[in-house]
Amino acid sequence: GAVVSQHPSRVICKSGTSVKIECRSLDFQATTMFWYRQFPKQSLMLMATSNEGSKATYEQGVEKDKFLINHASLTLSTLTVTSAHPEDSSFYICSARAGLERSPTDTQYFGPGTRLTVL
Amino acid sequence: DQQVKQNSPSLSVQEGRISILNCDYTNSMFDYFLWYKKYPAEGPTFLISISSIKDKNEDGRFTVFLNKSAKHLSLHIVPSQPGDSAVYFCAAIPVLGGSQGNLIFGKGTKLSVKP
Repeated sequence: GAVVSQHPSRVICKSGTSVKIECRSLDFQATTMFWYRQFPKQSLMLMATSNEGSKATYEQGVEKDKFLINHASLTLSTLTVTSAHPEDSSFYICSARAGLERSPTDTQYFGPGTRLTVL
Repeated sequence: DQQVKQNSPSLSVQEGRISILNCDYTNSMFDYFLWYKKYPAEGPTFLISISSIKDKNEDGRFTVFLNKSAKHLSLHIVPSQPGDSAVYFCAAIPVLGGSQGNLIFGKGTKLSVKP
């Protein structure tokens, strides 16, 4: 099946610093990538939808200036958490949708996730 | 408010028996449903899906049933194997209305299959 990688898998940073998380589709081109966040014992919550070459669409309540998303190529999307605070500590997961026709039901392939801890 | 609900946080089943995982949804705009399986420290893996025009979809040991009138779906795994032990997420896509395909997840059910 299709493979999506995320880097880093785990990061610990000090409050006020910025952290960049990369999401790559390794063996397919992804016109659309999604960024999710999961708090303990909660469901994965969509943060934003990113289409290659255009601005990301953020879900209600997600600050676009705090969570910067760049989808510069068909295989790479990045999420930058700017001025991180302890409440940003969470599990961040990306997914990439394969499919040339951008059907909303095309299978999404998930990365392994990034555990962010802000001290 | 949770639009996709998995009311059982955990389920324990004996190897060889049937596992039934349940999911309820509240939004009538949802018309495509998926089940994902997740191991610790890994991302979710797609298992099986069903469109709202069907009431059943089968793939090997996995069968998903959809009851639209009750806004309920279930995942049956038979026979259950120890390797099936994982967290199972139910997810929905509101295809109608121009969705880009963003998944709306339930909280998950942790399945433990005992040898």
